[in-house]
Amino acid sequence: GNSVTQMEGPVTLSEEAFLTINCTYTATGYPSLFWYVQYPGEGLQLLLKATKADDKGSNKGFEATYRKETTSFHLEKGSVQVSDSAVYFCALSPLNSGNTPLVFGKGTRLSVIA
Amino acid sequence: DGGITQSPKYLFRKEGQNVTLSCEQNLNHDAMYWYRQDPGQGLRLIYYSQIVNDFQKGDIAEGYSVSREKKESFPLTVTSAQKNPTAFYLCASSIVVTQETQYFGPGTRLLVL
Repeated sequence: GNSVTQMEGPVTLSEEAFLTINCTYTATGYPSLFWYVQYPGEGLQLLLKATKADDKGSNKGFEATYRKETTSFHLEKGSVQVSDSAVYFCALSPLNSGNTPLVFGKGTRLSVIA
Repeated sequence: DGGITQSPKYLFRKEGQNVTLSCEQNLNHDAMYWYRQDPGQGLRLIYYSQIVNDFQKGDIAEGYSVSREKKESFPLTVTSAQKNPTAFYLCASSIVVTQETQYFGPGTRLLVL
């Protein structure tokens, strides 16, 4: 079946530190991959996406590369800010498996301290 | 200004009472979804709808009901059969179900009195 596995949180970093949040997936076919961010008390917002192997999604200094050979889509940012504190969700959208909604990981909470 | 609205922001339910959460979108999307989020947990899919007058159960549909009479609207009713309804409820929509970005509303927090 389709599934997404994210690293367990919480992740606590100092401001300007390098961020990596690991995400690996299992899917039939070639899914689209997404990262969403959820700020406290709000809904989810799309952060970035990639639709085929070797694509790199990027937004607001965050980036992730679709790695088919390792079935991974790790989220990275070179220098985090306090305002990046949020919960980050990795998700996949299966291809050629019927009308199946997005499959989400369990989320990783990031806290950035000044 | 296109987007998804959910109301109310907070909702209180008494024991044995049904409550309905509103979700409206003006994005002209065919597909709409309801998710439940518990503290420190991920998202769990309750119901989704690919098109008007059609909907499918998600992973945790028991104790919930939905309708899709209009493209713009996908209300969720939390029935008295749902024994643990306290959670944050998120509505989302997308152009179609597959391979498409979902856009989320701001959420409704349901509390049991």
